[in-house]
Amino acid sequence: AQSVTQLGSHVSVSEGALVLLRCNYSSSVPPYLFWYVQYPNQGLQLLLKYTSAATLVKGINGFEAEFKKSETSFHLTKPSAHMSDAAEYFCAVSIIQGAQKLVFGQGTRLTINP
Amino acid sequence: DARVTQTPRHKVTEMGQEVTMRCQPILGHNTVFWYRQTMMQGLELLAYFRNRAPLDDSGMPKDRFSAEMPDATLATLKIQPSEPRDSAVYFCASGVGVATDTQYFGPGTRLTVL
Repeated sequence: AQSVTQLGSHVSVSEGALVLLRCNYSSSVPPYLFWYVQYPNQGLQLLLKYTSAATLVKGINGFEAEFKKSETSFHLTKPSAHMSDAAEYFCAVSIIQGAQKLVFGQGTRLTINP
Repeated sequence: DARVTQTPRHKVTEMGQEVTMRCQPILGHNTVFWYRQTMMQGLELLAYFRNRAPLDDSGMPKDRFSAEMPDATLATLKIQPSEPRDSAVYFCASGVGVATDTQYFGPGTRLTVL
């Protein structure tokens, strides 16, 4: 069965520093992978997704993620953190069961220190 | 700017009362998902519909939860009777139902059962 594991429930970085949020997946078939972001008191919104085209995927707000099959990873990065990046980030894998169904990781809360 | 709407945004009720949450998916989307988010369990998929038909409701406690789509513009999630352990944020999301599809989330209903 497909699943994702996010390493680190909390990550704290300084403003301007590199952001790295880790996600590893488990899938018996080529996966479709997603990163969603949730700002306080809001619903989730898509940051980026991997759909088997380019392995390096660029998303909104300067984030990008690289699909690495050999490492079963889809880590999210941003070169320089901004205070507005403080949020919870969810990695998800798509399961095809009649209709698209997402399985989410447990989430990583990102804190930005001034 | 099309978006998923949910009502009410906040609901406080007493144990044993019936709770109904409503969702209006984005026009043209044929797949609707209901999620529950808690600190302990994270994001859980409760049920989802395609073309108004329920595809999977295995995530819902069957004895007290029910989900319906009376028409293409309205999805409902009902809890009867409610219990304190049902306190959570309930999200609705919609999409076009393919594996690479983005799910668009509503702002959520924060439910507190006293």
